[in-house]
Amino acid sequence: GESVGLHLPTLSVQEGDNSIINCAYSNSASDYFIWYKQESGKGPQFIIDIRSNMDKRQGQRVTVLLNKTVKHLSLQIAATQPGDSAVYFCAETSYDKVIFGPGTSLSVIP
Amino acid sequence: DSGVTQTPKHLITATGQRVTLRCSPRSGDLSVYWYQQSLDQGLQFLIQYYNGEERAKGNILERFSAQQFPDLHSELNLSSLELGDSALYFCASSVYSGSSNTQYFGPGTRLTVL
Repeated sequence: GESVGLHLPTLSVQEGDNSIINCAYSNSASDYFIWYKQESGKGPQFIIDIRSNMDKRQGQRVTVLLNKTVKHLSLQIAATQPGDSAVYFCAETSYDKVIFGPGTSLSVIP
Repeated sequence: DSGVTQTPKHLITATGQRVTLRCSPRSGDLSVYWYQQSLDQGLQFLIQYYNGEERAKGNILERFSAQQFPDLHSELNLSSLELGDSALYFCASSVYSGSSNTQYFGPGTRLTVL
């Protein structure tokens, strides 16, 4: 069946380094992708999104890359800070259907 | 603070019981989404309402139902509860429906079924 999956369930990075979180998707009809951050005890928080007609989008300290050829999505966080420690979910949407990936836990080492 | 509110924050009940979870979307948002998050299933989309009408259905059990009221708040009803229904239930809202509509999540309701 169609699914969104993450390559790495956990990621530890040194404070100040860049982080890269990867996500694979299988539904080529998905036209909108979102990255969410979920801190412990809180709901998912929107970080950045990208439409399928784009291959890169930048925000504040975050960049999302979309490679439709290999159905791959990545989230890059520049100069990772302790406050970035959380679980990160990618999600793909097609019409009103949203599928979330299993999540990657990012741990920032001070 | 996303602007989406959910009540109650915590709910403890017994198997076989029925509970109602409530969600108030952000001001101006017409769409409400319900999600279930458990350790073994991740974040699962349950159902979406748009301006009072059901718009999309995901992995929602027949024991579960939802509705969106004229004031746009929504309720998720869970009946004949089982131990496996213990999870975090999130509500999210967006302005419209369809793709490219950012969803804003509430803080969730933690349901524990004993």
